[in-house]
Amino acid sequence: QKEVEQDPGPLSVPEGAIVSLNCTYSNSAFQYFMWYRQYSRKGPELLMYTYSSGNKEDGRFTAQVDKSSKYISLFIRDSQPSDSATYLCAMRENTGGFKTIFGAGTRLFVKA
Amino acid sequence: NAGVTQTPKFQVLKTGQSMTLQCAQDMNHNSMYWYRQDPGMGLRLIYYSASEGTTDKGEVPNGYNVSRLNKREFSLRLESAAPSQTSVYFCASVVGDRDQPQHFGDGTRLSIL
Repeated sequence: QKEVEQDPGPLSVPEGAIVSLNCTYSNSAFQYFMWYRQYSRKGPELLMYTYSSGNKEDGRFTAQVDKSSKYISLFIRDSQPSDSATYLCAMRENTGGFKTIFGAGTRLFVKA
Repeated sequence: NAGVTQTPKFQVLKTGQSMTLQCAQDMNHNSMYWYRQDPGMGLRLIYYSASEGTTDKGEVPNGYNVSRLNKREFSLRLESAAPSQTSVYFCASVVGDRDQPQHFGDGTRLSIL
């Protein structure tokens, strides 16, 4: 079993829809949770970064962490065609070495 | 501000050839990482360097070597390339504080025939 599970999609939505992307994990020691966006032929770009449980909002993006369920989510409101990309969740323990575990990524298409 | 720069962007090798992938960062970060990204597998850590002068193995180190040349540069070497090493390789860096995320380059697409 992978430490981090993420549905690869693809997920196709119409412009303006609310998008929900999710990851589950098995390691209860994970404390830092991240979402990266990756456009085709580009490197991952950090979108959201949260510590421990709770919600964090940045513009149209909201990240949620539920440590009791070992479940994290990224919500995108008023989705745009420019949001079409692969979204990677990532997480890390609060220990030295800074090794980060990534999900396989969910491919999102937003249709105009 | 270039961030993390990787060279080359594309390369085709024959089985058995050797090659070095270059990575440089201009953010004065302490830690640097090499990942490979394969379809359905996500990013897998090959090697990392927590600080200048140190390197450690990650999840998939076999067939690779690394050199932390100085604080800015971290190279990845394939001594005898194999088709299984066909992948997209990403370099990342982080300032070194445990509460900071990694910043990535745009990758090197490597095909081994």
